[in-house]
Amino acid sequence: GENVEQHPSTLSVQEGDSAVIKCTYSDSASNYFPWYKQELGKRPQLIIDIRSNVGEKKDQRIAVTLNKTAKHFSLHITETQPEDSAVYFCAASISSYDKVIFGPGTSLSVIP
Amino acid sequence: EAQVTQNPRYLITVTGKKLTVTCSQNMNHEYMSWYRQDPGLGLRQIYYSMNVEVTDKGDVPEGYKVSRKEKRNFPLILESPSPNQTSLYFCATRRPGQTDTQYFGPGTRLTVL
Repeated sequence: GENVEQHPSTLSVQEGDSAVIKCTYSDSASNYFPWYKQELGKRPQLIIDIRSNVGEKKDQRIAVTLNKTAKHFSLHITETQPEDSAVYFCAASISSYDKVIFGPGTSLSVIP
Repeated sequence: EAQVTQNPRYLITVTGKKLTVTCSQNMNHEYMSWYRQDPGLGLRQIYYSMNVEVTDKGDVPEGYKVSRKEKRNFPLILESPSPNQTSLYFCATRRPGQTDTQYFGPGTRLTVL
């Protein structure tokens, strides 16, 4: 079955710097890759996703890239702000309506 | 207002006593799913449903049942809870789009003694 790895497990950056979180997946049938943000004590939020027919997707300060050949995808946050501090989870699925497997999470701290 | 509600929000129970966690949405979304979250293990999907009467196993379905008799409700049933089902549970719906939108419920913290 699918296995999703995520690195790093913790990440500290200075406010204004960029943050990059990387994930790899094992099942070449996976075509849908969402990213979730979970602030302390809150419910998860789906912040961006990418499908395998696209190599990159941007939404304001957040971008996601996908390399299907290498089976890895990454989340890029530019101009980080303290409110970006949270745990981020990547995930992989055959489609947005199928079983989803999550990575173990990355705890991002943005230092003011 | 778009809403996913879960009940109860907190529950302490004993091993073997059947329980149901309800999940209800007011957005007419077809897709609903259940997740559990444990320290060190992150999020794991338990079951999902693509529409009424259509359910499928997620990553960790053992010990759980679900039903989807109507679009708005997707209850999670623990027939014989065990301590390893102590966890934080989230229900969610999904709406397709340029970026899909997922609406998570507030979570149910379950302790099985």
